[in-house]
Amino acid sequence: AQSVTQPDIHITVSEGASLELRCNYSYGATPYLFWYVQSPGQGLQLLLKYFSGDTLVQGIKGFEAEFKRSQSSFNLRKPSVHWSDAAEYFCAVGRTSYDKVIFGPGTSLSVIP
Amino acid sequence: DTEVTQTPKHLVMGMTNKKSLKCEQHMGHRAMYWYKQKAKKPPELMFVYSYEKLSINESVPSRFSPECPNSSLLNLHLHALQPEDSALYLCASSQGQLAGGLDTQYFGPGTRLTVL
Repeated sequence: AQSVTQPDIHITVSEGASLELRCNYSYGATPYLFWYVQSPGQGLQLLLKYFSGDTLVQGIKGFEAEFKRSQSSFNLRKPSVHWSDAAEYFCAVGRTSYDKVIFGPGTSLSVIP
Repeated sequence: DTEVTQTPKHLVMGMTNKKSLKCEQHMGHRAMYWYKQKAKKPPELMFVYSYEKLSINESVPSRFSPECPNSSLLNLHLHALQPEDSALYLCASSQGQLAGGLDTQYFGPGTRLTVL
């Protein structure tokens, strides 16, 4: 069965610092990978997704993610964090044969001035 | 317009009440979703409608009853809920053209439900 893990429950970074959020997946075939962000009291917003091709994916809000098949990882990065980036971040994996996306447990990001 | 709207924003109901949650989108999307999200947890899929037909029911108790009257509207009817059903209920929509859950899903802000 496919699964998604996000090893860090909570991360705190200083504004202007770089950020990396980790995501590992377990799936037999090539997965379809997503990063979503959820600001407090809001719904989710797609940051980026990987289906195939270039393993470095650019997203909105200055985020990027890199797919590493050998490590079963899809880590999210941002070179300089803004206070408005404080939110919950969910990594997710999808399949082609089923209308369902599996979400990871989430990483809560705090940003300090 | 890339907005999914949900009403009401907050709902408090007793265990014997009947209420409904409403979700609307005007993006021409043909797939619509209901998720349940408990605090500090990821969203859990409940139902998927594809082209106005129920395509997935994730073994949700019958006290939750979805309805898709047309391609723009999705309802969730609630009856005889339990306190543990208190959660944020999120609606999402997607184009519905890609197989599986691969379409970009656009989420509404959710309805915060409290069952007393």
